[in-house]
Amino acid sequence: QQPVQSPQAVILREGEDAVINCSSSKALYSVHWYRQKHGEAPVFLMILLKGGEQKGHEKISASFNEKKQQSSLYLTASQLSYSGTYFCGTETVPRGSARQLTFGSGTQLTVLP
Amino acid sequence: SQTIHQWPATLVQPVGSPLSLECTVEGTSNPNLYWYRQAAGRGLQLLFYSVGIGQISSEVPQNLSASRPQDRQFILSSKKLLLSDSGFYLCAWSVHEQYFGPGTRLTVT
Repeated sequence: QQPVQSPQAVILREGEDAVINCSSSKALYSVHWYRQKHGEAPVFLMILLKGGEQKGHEKISASFNEKKQQSSLYLTASQLSYSGTYFCGTETVPRGSARQLTFGSGTQLTVLP
Repeated sequence: SQTIHQWPATLVQPVGSPLSLECTVEGTSNPNLYWYRQAAGRGLQLLFYSVGIGQISSEVPQNLSASRPQDRQFILSSKKLLLSDSGFYLCAWSVHEQYFGPGTRLTVT
């Protein structure tokens, strides 16, 4: 079942912060976050594994609450380059070595100057 | 470093025509390979994945098929395209994280 992302869209001014949420009705093994620019392929941002860890990547970080089956992506002091559609991909059960991800419908982030 | 190639980048095909999209990965051995489809303005739908040569798992019943004739080659095919097959086709590889290729934009007319 597809994870639910919220909000569907957000508009920011440069320097503002944003939070994108991803929730699942199933127990999660891992959550993967991607950013996709219009007309391009998704770019991997980070992976969070079962264990409730938090990760950071420059001014973009994420948390994973396995009890709530939720993950959140935090963008601080947003830059124009952060604009794009953000997808979370969830993995419920590891099936051997293959990562079978189910993706949310995306959150469209627009950063204005 | 690893790179992933897809071709063609853009394709316009008539309904009922065959399809062959190719994906190759460089710089890694025995990767897991995936085919996704993305309809306009939508999310990513997993179509097929492969953990090794000749090993294909299908996620969604459709008129598409996939093959993996070599370790780092993954092919998506169809005998007869439908209008609903239009979309952005993405190949991905993984060891732990998944990395996407540049994609093929297919328009079926």
